[in-house]
Amino acid sequence: DQQVKQNSPSLSVQEGRISILNCDYTNSMFDYFLWYKKYPAEGPTFLISISSIKDKNEDGRFTVFLNKSAKHLSLHIVPSQPGDSAVYFCAASAGIDDMRFGAGTRLTVKP
Amino acid sequence: DSGVTQTPKHLITATGQRVTLRCSPRSGDLSVYWYQQSLDQGLQFLIQYYNGEERAKGNILERFSAQQFPDLHSELNLSSLELGDSALYFCASTTSGGWADTQYFGPGTRLTVL
Repeated sequence: DQQVKQNSPSLSVQEGRISILNCDYTNSMFDYFLWYKKYPAEGPTFLISISSIKDKNEDGRFTVFLNKSAKHLSLHIVPSQPGDSAVYFCAASAGIDDMRFGAGTRLTVKP
Repeated sequence: DSGVTQTPKHLITATGQRVTLRCSPRSGDLSVYWYQQSLDQGLQFLIQYYNGEERAKGNILERFSAQQFPDLHSELNLSSLELGDSALYFCASTTSGGWADTQYFGPGTRLTVL
């Protein structure tokens, strides 16, 4: 039961350009959304989050957009840097009993 | 370094066996979460403990169990292992146990069941 989907398993972007990672969800009860970044051989690292009362949250080069009507969120990285190359997971929560993760998108930023 | 430690780093075992994975949360964190990441799959939430008590349960099989000890470290026990249990197992910790808290992840334990 895939309530959170990241339909692009991989994305390749040139350094300095924008990276856009997408995530779709099906459960309208989700009210909190997070993005995690994962480097090989390390645990996931929290990146940025957004609650359902907002439609945008920004932190430096990272911006998360939430479109509740479309049940879609996206992570924008501007400008992309080679060190951003990693796997990005989106996650959605509907309270303490329900936290779901997408399968991840592998981002490669080429110098 | 997140401050969360997991041991062992790698574990290779046979079907039918039982293993124990260990997690020590960040100093001061009261809550521990366990996740499974299978090949090509996203992270699956297994179970959460807060200050020694089970708080939330996810897609944890009956063959799996966990506990959190008085010193707040946690163990995940996997028994009657099957080939499909081969995965990366992560634990994460937070201060207060709310899902909106930032979760700090350990480096994971890679389990291979042969």
